[in-house]
Amino acid sequence: DAGVIQSPRHEVTEMGQEVTLRCKPISGHNSLFWYRQTMMRGLELLIYFNNNVPIDDSGMPEDRFSAKMPNASFSTLKIQPSEPRDSAVYFCASSPQYSGNQPQHFGDGTRLSIL
Amino acid sequence: AQSVTQLGSHVSVSEGALVLLRCNYSSSVPPYLFWYVQYPNQGLQLLLKYTSAATLVKGINGFEAEFKKSETSFHLTKPSAHMSDAAEYFCAVSQARGYQKVTFGTGTKLQVIP
Repeated sequence: DAGVIQSPRHEVTEMGQEVTLRCKPISGHNSLFWYRQTMMRGLELLIYFNNNVPIDDSGMPEDRFSAKMPNASFSTLKIQPSEPRDSAVYFCASSPQYSGNQPQHFGDGTRLSIL
Repeated sequence: AQSVTQLGSHVSVSEGALVLLRCNYSSSVPPYLFWYVQYPNQGLQLLLKYTSAATLVKGINGFEAEFKKSETSFHLTKPSAHMSDAAEYFCAVSQARGYQKVTFGTGTKLQVIP
């Protein structure tokens, strides 16, 4: 079975540009998560969707960040305008159900560098 | 409220030696506990999980962890380290009721010395 697919794997762009990260969850999974990983802060949950509906976006750092899930097989995380401090690895993860005992399946991440 | 503390951001062991990675949790309700492994340039992969069945949980690649409620611990062990075990390991907790938010620890990087 295909795992969680993220694109692009690497993104380098200049400060002020719009960045869009994409995620395709595992087919049949109802929950989708966006995380950010940095050396300083570790792994941070940005936003969580269940059945395409945002449930908790308290981790979104500021209004420059937005996320959408227009259907069960696709989600985007957008940063506009981007800043150097947004440089990080961004992970998407999905899980089968809205339940605490379900493990999350992670994509391989997008390594974002803002110059 | 829930939290996870991983003791030691870096652990070094010799190949063939015991691996012990420590995790203590805090949770106001019965927890679910997980260990994930992250190899370079990859996402996290599930090693094992505790969901209130057996307290000794066996996972992939020869790892196991024991849930000890009295010590609020969920330490990860492997009897004999292999070079391929070198990676970063994350302990995580979620709650058995309600919202599924998972709290991850800060990670422990395991180095295996030949």
